[in-house]
This record gives sequence, C-alpha cells and structure tokens, in this order.
Amino acid sequence: DTEVTQTPKHLVMGMTNKKSLKCEQHMGHRAMYWYKQKAKKPPELMFVYSYEKLSINESVPSRFSPECPNSSLLNLHLHALQPEDSALYLCASSRGLAGGLTNEQFFGPGTRLTVL
Amino acid sequence: ELKVEQNPLFLSMQEGKNYTIYCNYSTTSDRLYWYRQDPGKSLESLFVLLSNGAVKQEGRLMASLDTKARLSTLHITAAVHDLSATYFCAVRGNYGQNFVFGPGTRLSVLP
Repeated sequence: DTEVTQTPKHLVMGMTNKKSLKCEQHMGHRAMYWYKQKAKKPPELMFVYSYEKLSINESVPSRFSPECPNSSLLNLHLHALQPEDSALYLCASSRGLAGGLTNEQFFGPGTRLTVL
Repeated sequence: ELKVEQNPLFLSMQEGKNYTIYCNYSTTSDRLYWYRQDPGKSLESLFVLLSNGAVKQEGRLMASLDTKARLSTLHITAAVHDLSATYFCAVRGNYGQNFVFGPGTRLSVLP
C-alpha cells in the first residue's frame, strides 16, 4: 500500500462545532505532517510528528489540535474555528526526519474544509 | 528564516516549446523537492534532489540542483497540454528548518 488516505473529503462546520480530520498511511513511515493550503497558495506546514511525538508546531492556533495515536494514524481536532480557517488540509508522510533519509513526502488527497 | 522563490509565477507556453522554471532559496540546504499539483487535487512528488549537481529526468521534465548557487531548475522539453498544472519546489534547511514551499509556478500549455 503506497497511499495516504484522508477522511472526510469535504467538511462544512460552524464556528461552534467540534470536528476531526483523519489521516492514515500503511507504508511504515515514521514521520507525518499536516499542511494548510489556501486557494492559489503553496501548502503551509502546521505540524510534524516523528515516531508519534510532536516534533514541529509552526505556531498554529490552539483551536487546531493534532494527535498521533499510532504510527499509521494522524488526526487533527478542530474546535471553534474561524471562517478564515477554510482551506484544503493536506496530510503527508515520509520515512522519517533523520539526516540520512530523503524526507520525500507523500501527500493524501486532502480535506476541503469550509467554516461558516 | 528560510525563504523559497520561484520564477516565473505564471507561464503560458505553446505545445512543443521548451522552457525552464527557476527555484531559489535563501539558506543552506541539500534537499530540494519538486511537486506537481493539478487544480483541486493533492500534490504529486516529481523529483527529490539530494546533492550538488544532481540531475533527474522523467519524461519531458528534467530537474537539477546547484547547492552553491542555492538554485534548482525544472526544464520542460517539448511541452504537451498534459503538463498544465502548478509546480512547486520545496526546501528543507540543513539546520532543521522546516519544509518551506515556493509560491508555485502555474503552467498552462496551449495547443
């Protein structure tokens, strides 16, 4: 299995809702990433997990809460979002972060989030 | 702070023509990545360039890396319509800086 899957594909939520995005990979990768991409812009890194531990948090607001329950799964919990958080949320994985690795990232199809 | 620039940001070219997209970055790095993104879709990994002088080719696309100049190029040979997409370069700094994407080059190949 050489794919990263994400669910749901689309999500519409109100500003008071709590929802979660899910990402899964079965490539044995030990690094997983969340990116946010606004229309016609490049992806912006949000979080990086390495061996199920949070390695990088790019000063993301606390209304976004990542979780890595095991090496194959990555969640992004959403609470009290703002309309400007509407974007495509991409998950990616790579073999690891260590210096000897290429760190080539494989991206999932994304979740298109709309906050009303 | 690691910054990545691409040039041009928009490129409209005719089928059969050749062109080059440039990617400059601001700090030391020996890992550069090229991705393709079709409208409304995710990112597809094209090339991983790991060392100075690295050159990789796949079909009509060829990528190269000059770490001393902090420059990578993506050369398109005899463009076809199917190459129309947005192309991003991305860099990870040598000192643990995070992955940073360039702004993207939106390529449109016209018949």
